[in-house]
Formats: sequence, structure tokens, C-alpha cells
Amino acid sequence: AQKVTQAQTEISVVEKEDVTLDCVYETRDTTYYLFWYKQPPSGELVFLIRRNSFDEQNEISGRYSWNFQKSTSSFNFTITASQVVDSAVYFCALTLVGADKLIFGTGTRLQVFP
Amino acid sequence: DTAVSQTPKYLVTQMGNDKSIKCEQNLGHDTMYWYKQDSKKFLKIMFSYNNKELIINETVPNRFSPKSPDKAHLNLHINSLELGDSAVYFCASSQGRVHRPQHFGDGTRLSIL
Repeated sequence: AQKVTQAQTEISVVEKEDVTLDCVYETRDTTYYLFWYKQPPSGELVFLIRRNSFDEQNEISGRYSWNFQKSTSSFNFTITASQVVDSAVYFCALTLVGADKLIFGTGTRLQVFP
Repeated sequence: DTAVSQTPKYLVTQMGNDKSIKCEQNLGHDTMYWYKQDSKKFLKIMFSYNNKELIINETVPNRFSPKSPDKAHLNLHINSLELGDSAVYFCASSQGRVHRPQHFGDGTRLSIL
């Protein structure tokens, strides 16, 4: 069975701090995709990134970076120099090719204080 | 232009009533989904449709009936509403299979009195 664990329920930081959100996944399949979604206080879900299991290159997009490590089954998300607008619930998700559904973690609520 | 739009945004109703939530996407996607997000923010797939055909029904009570009149629309009808149905319901769409990024609507907050 597949599972996604986001052990950090809530993280609070002060603006400009760096913060890492952890995501650990479980699957026996060798071909899968991992995602991060952001849910700001306004409630919508925003796609951030997708990674396939064959691509372990880290990715950077502005202040956001993602570290995918198959050896530890982790797909962690780092925000550098956090800002108040980064305050949101962040979800990690997993899908298998052909499975037709996303399995979400329970989310990590990030609060960035000024 | 909104890519995935759901109506209504808020729905307050009494136990036992029947209600519908509509979803439309203008992205040209062929796959649409309904998710339920509970009060603890846990997101779970309910249904998935590809080209108007049901491909996932994730052990949802049969009081919930999705309908896809065409691939741009996926509506959700709920009969005999119960207190436990209170949640935020999200519609989403993607092109092709689920490993493509999904675009979500803004959600419909359903409150049962």
C-alpha cells in the first residue's frame, strides 16, 4: 500500500528564516510521481512541483527548493528566507502510474510571523 | 478566466436535504476529480472521471452521486445529507492520467446544521 507521511503538523518561523518541510513516502512500485501543493488561508490548492521517480535531481525555483532522495524515500521542501505570504498548509502527495489517484499526506501548516 | 470553477462556494443546509455542487473546467482537460477535505485538512479522493467515464469510486456512500454530462463538467449530488458530510469539497482536473498536475477549484464549504 502507498502512504505519505508529513510528520510536522505545524511549524512556526519568523520572517527571513529558512524552513524545511519533510515528506516521507512509502511504495513498492519503482515508477511513481511526487507532488507538493500549497493551500493558503484563502483555501484554494495550488500546484507547486511534480517529480518522477527516475529524476532525483534537486530542483530550485526562486526561494523554493526540493530535495528528492530515493534512498530515504523522502521529498523534502525548503523555503529560503521565508515571507509572511508563505503561510499556508503544504501537502505532499504520491501517485503511481496508472493508479488514477493522488494520495495526500496530512499536510504541514506553516506560519511565518513578521 | 477561472480554470476550474465550483458553485456554490458556500452551502449551508439541514440534515436530510439533498444538494448539488457544480464544477466546470475550461482547460480542455479530459479527467476530473472530486476530493473531500475534512476539518483536520485531510484530503481524500472521492471520484475520478476520464472522458465522462467513472474510473475511481473510492468507497464513498451511495448517497453521493457524481455526474459528468461532458468532459468539461463534473457535478456532485448528495442525497439525505448527514452531519458527517460537513467538509470542503474540491473539484480538480488534469490532462490524461493522474500523474499530471491537477488544477483545483476553490472548494465548496458544505455545512450541515
